[in-house]
Amino acid sequence: GENVEQHPSTLSVQEGDSAVIKCTYSDSASNYFPWYKQELGKGPQLIIDIRSNVGEKKDQRIAVTLNKTAKHFSLHITETQPEDSAVYFCAASIGTSGTYKYIFGTGTRLKVLA
Amino acid sequence: GAVVSQHPSRVICKSGTSVKIECRSLDFQATTMFWYRQFPKQSLMLMATSNEGSKATYEQGVEKDKFLINHASLTLSTLTVTSAHPEDSSFYICSARIGGQGNLAFGSGTRLTVV
Repeated sequence: GENVEQHPSTLSVQEGDSAVIKCTYSDSASNYFPWYKQELGKGPQLIIDIRSNVGEKKDQRIAVTLNKTAKHFSLHITETQPEDSAVYFCAASIGTSGTYKYIFGTGTRLKVLA
Repeated sequence: GAVVSQHPSRVICKSGTSVKIECRSLDFQATTMFWYRQFPKQSLMLMATSNEGSKATYEQGVEKDKFLINHASLTLSTLTVTSAHPEDSSFYICSARIGGQGNLAFGSGTRLTVV
């Protein structure tokens, strides 16, 4: 079946350094790739997304890149801050309008060390 | 915009009882909502897709008679865990699709503990 692999599972960086999280998806028909940040005991919050007709998208310190050929997409966080510490999930869309849903990656626990 | 409210945030119930969790879209109409279950330090596992005015679509392995889903209006979906057992203890999260673009807004989750 469809799946999304996410690496690494944990990531520790020094404050100010960059963090990169990578995901690989299996369904070549996937066309929407959101990234979510989840803090302890809370629901996920969308931080950035990208559609299959775009190769890169940036929003301040956060960027996402997509390689459709390789079925890879990555989250880049620059100038990390302690408040960036959280669990990050990637997701890929599958299905058509009637069955449209997301498959989530396994999550990356990011720790930004002050 | 695009706020999803989920209640309760925490609930403790006795084995054998039923618990209802509500998911409301506050400032938009949601024809489709999704229910997830999340175990500690794990990813979100889709349980079912809730469609307004029709039966929910359950993922493989999810017991539809145990996890009852009702989506009676464009702003409210409910998940009822029936005859709860300790193994049903988990973090349950709902989300709602925003318009036709596919973007999801998530609720804040419900921590269910069955004792």
